[in-house]
Amino acid sequence: NAGVIQTPRHKVTGKGQEATLWCEPISGHSAVFWYRQTIVQGLEFLTYFRNQAPIDDSGMPKERFSAQMPNQSHSTLKIQSTQPQDSAVYLCASALGGSNTGQLYFGEGSKLTVL
Amino acid sequence: AQKVTQTQTSISVVEKTTVTMDCVYETRDSSYFLFWYKQTASGEIVFLIRQDSYKKENATVGHYSLNFQKPKSSIGLIITATQIEDSAVYFCAMSRGRNYAQGLTFGLGTRVSVFP
Repeated sequence: NAGVIQTPRHKVTGKGQEATLWCEPISGHSAVFWYRQTIVQGLEFLTYFRNQAPIDDSGMPKERFSAQMPNQSHSTLKIQSTQPQDSAVYLCASALGGSNTGQLYFGEGSKLTVL
Repeated sequence: AQKVTQTQTSISVVEKTTVTMDCVYETRDSSYFLFWYKQTASGEIVFLIRQDSYKKENATVGHYSLNFQKPKSSIGLIITATQIEDSAVYFCAMSRGRNYAQGLTFGLGTRVSVFP
């Protein structure tokens, strides 16, 4: 089984540009999560989907950040008008829908650098 | 709100010895799950071990074991017979809610360096 796949692995944008990050969860996993990792804040929860429906976006910055899951094999995180403080590693994770433990399986992350 | 605190930022140990990492958590839930994950130098985050709050027995997987002290809201990780490849950042985490698959809240991590 392939793990969670994230693309691109590295992305460099200029201030004010848009960045879109992609995630393919593990086949059969119905929950998909986005996290942001920085040295200062650590691993921060952003948002999650269950069976493609957005469930909780309480961690998402209200402006400029959006996430979608158009089908069960694909989720995107879009950041509009990127700012230097958006520089981070963005991690996607998936989980079994029937799991009552919450164990997550992480992708390798997309490192975003905003110049 | 939930909170997970790892007070040790880094630990250095000699190979083949035991290392212990601390973690304390805050939650209002009566039932929850606690995890330890490892992030390698390549950035890969790997699940190590889990403790269910309703279980009194400490979980053990391979050379990883937990010291679960529920009254103290503490879940320590113990690695015995450490190897060079155990050098990594270790994250403590807990389930964000009682319902399944709501994600995890993570601590800031403890960097472990294992030297020959």
